[in-house]
Amino acid sequence: NAGVTQTPKFRILKIGQSMTLQCTQDMNHNYMYWYRQDPGMGLKLIYYSVGAGITDKGEVPNGYNVSRSTTEDFPLRLELAAPSQTSVYFCASSPGYRGGEQYFGPGTRLTVT
Amino acid sequence: EDQVTQSPEALRLQEGESSSLNCSYTVSGLRGLFWYRQDPGKGPEFLFTLYSAGEEKEKERLKATLTKKESFLHITAPKPEDSATYLCAVQASYGNKLVFGAGTILRVKS
Repeated sequence: NAGVTQTPKFRILKIGQSMTLQCTQDMNHNYMYWYRQDPGMGLKLIYYSVGAGITDKGEVPNGYNVSRSTTEDFPLRLELAAPSQTSVYFCASSPGYRGGEQYFGPGTRLTVT
Repeated sequence: EDQVTQSPEALRLQEGESSSLNCSYTVSGLRGLFWYRQDPGKGPEFLFTLYSAGEEKEKERLKATLTKKESFLHITAPKPEDSATYLCAVQASYGNKLVFGAGTILRVKS
């Protein structure tokens, strides 16, 4: 099992550009999450999904969108990138019945200039 | 609002010098408290789940304990490979989301 994979690993965007961060898991987990991590701030939940076709906002959803068309994939879309979106983004999944035991991907480091 | 506060922010230990990391929490009904380890440039890795006050979990040199207001991660005779950021998170009884603390950066020198 590859676990949770994320692409790209690094990306530099100009202000106003858009991009999609990809996340795929091969553990057949129903629950998937997107977090951002800023220095000294811990992980903040952006969006999450409890199954294909179902998504919900987390703590910091503004400026982001998600979709969940399959169990495996949970892409995160950034529209009109802003410097405040410079961060490290982590995707995670969990089997649901152990919702707090989450499996994280390696992260995407995004810089917006 | 659910909150998690970790202390200290950073901790430097000599190899073999035991210590504890603290995680204080406020949550509307605790479903679980979770400890994660994060190495530089990597995603967090799950360590422990604690469900109720008085519960303890152990893994190698790490032991996690839980009270009604806080959790401790005790590190016994640490080695340099224990150097990492340790994250604490809580899950409320009404949802599936985790609230994370800012973490404690642990450095163990040989």
